[in-house]
Amino acid sequence: AQSVAQPEDQVNVAEGNPLTVKCTYSVSGNPYLFWYVQYPNRGLQFLLKYITGDNLVKGSYGFEAEFNKSQTSFHLKKPSALVSDSALYFCAVRDGSSGNTPLVFGKGTRLSVIA
Amino acid sequence: DVKVTQSSRYLVKRTGEKVFLECVQDMDHENMFWYRQDPGLGLRLIYFSYDVKMKEKGDIPEGYSVSREKKERFSLILESASTNQTSMYLCASNRQGGNQPQHFGDGTRLSIL
Repeated sequence: AQSVAQPEDQVNVAEGNPLTVKCTYSVSGNPYLFWYVQYPNRGLQFLLKYITGDNLVKGSYGFEAEFNKSQTSFHLKKPSALVSDSALYFCAVRDGSSGNTPLVFGKGTRLSVIA
Repeated sequence: DVKVTQSSRYLVKRTGEKVFLECVQDMDHENMFWYRQDPGLGLRLIYFSYDVKMKEKGDIPEGYSVSREKKERFSLILESASTNQTSMYLCASNRQGGNQPQHFGDGTRLSIL
């Protein structure tokens, strides 16, 4: 079975500081990993994905994520946080060996960037 | 850009009513999904479809049904609405393939009174 854990319900960071939103996963095969952001009263927007290759993946709005196979993690990062980054962030996984199956989502982490 | 359109942003219905939520995507995607989102519970998969007239149950299908008569349209039906179905409903679609991200609509906030 596939699963995703986002261990922090809430992350607070000062504007200009680096931010990290944590995600760990469990799959039996190779993981396909995704990050999404949700602004108030909107749907989820795709930020980035890891399928294979370089462990550091760059995405939209200056976000990046680092895949770590030994720690089964895929943490979202940004070098310098903006107040406008405040939103709800979701990590999702699909087992690459299971083909065309729905994504499994974490419960989300609320990021607050304080000016 | 992919466009997933949900017919209503806000909807208020009464207990026992039959409720239809509509979703249309414009990118010829094979796969379509319905989720509900509740605080503290994240996204829970209700139903999904890999092709026209095909449907698969997700994690919480009870009290819901779906219809996919055309490739671009996926409808969620609440057969007899109940107050515990008050929620945010999100539709998503993607191209077939394990490496494809899902693209979401803006959601329908449904209140059952």
